Amino acid sequence: KNEVEQSPQNLTAQEGEFITINCSYSVGISALHWLQQHPGGGIVSLFMLSSGKKKHGRLIATINIQEKHSSLHITASHPRDSAVYICAAGPGTYKYIFGTGTRLKVLA
Amino acid sequence: NAGVTQTPKFQVLKTGQSMTLQCAQDMNHNSMYWYRQDPGMGLRLIYYSASEGTTDKGEVPNGYNVSRLNKREFSLRLESAAPSQTSVYFCASSELPGGNQPQHFGDGTRLSIL
Repeated sequence: KNEVEQSPQNLTAQEGEFITINCSYSVGISALHWLQQHPGGGIVSLFMLSSGKKKHGRLIATINIQEKHSSLHITASHPRDSAVYICAAGPGTYKYIFGTGTRLKVLA
Repeated sequence: NAGVTQTPKFQVLKTGQSMTLQCAQDMNHNSMYWYRQDPGMGLRLIYYSASEGTTDKGEVPNGYNVSRLNKREFSLRLESAAPSQTSVYFCASSELPGGNQPQHFGDGTRLSIL
């Protein structure tokens, strides 16, 4: 079993829909990261969480430390949100442990 | 402000050839990382450098070597390329080492070994 599991693996939504991507992890962490990878391939850091909730524009990330679970929500989705969203657990050591990503396609 | 710059962006090699992937960051970060990304798998750490002058193995170091040339630059070398090393390679940097540090990624190098 992977230490970081994401669901769903693939997601297709209509423009305007509310989207939720889930991440469960089995390791102790100092932070949980959400990353975005666009079709061109570059990876951008969206959020770093150690507790509670963060919001940036239409993106909201939450984390429940006790349940070892995090969610990424996209409100009023748009075709430009189409990307792969990657969850990464950050233990206290040097490295991240990455999930395999959720491929999101938003249709106009 | 370029952030993390990787060169080349694409490369095709024949089995047994050698090459070096270059990475430079202009954010004065202490820590740098090399990852590979393969279909159906999460990013995997090849090598990292917690600070200038130090390098350490990650999860999948076999077949690779690295050099932390200075604080800005961290190169990855394939001495004798193998088809199993066909992948997309990402360099990243962070201000300090640790899982609670945001990492900044380059655009990747797509490498094919024939």
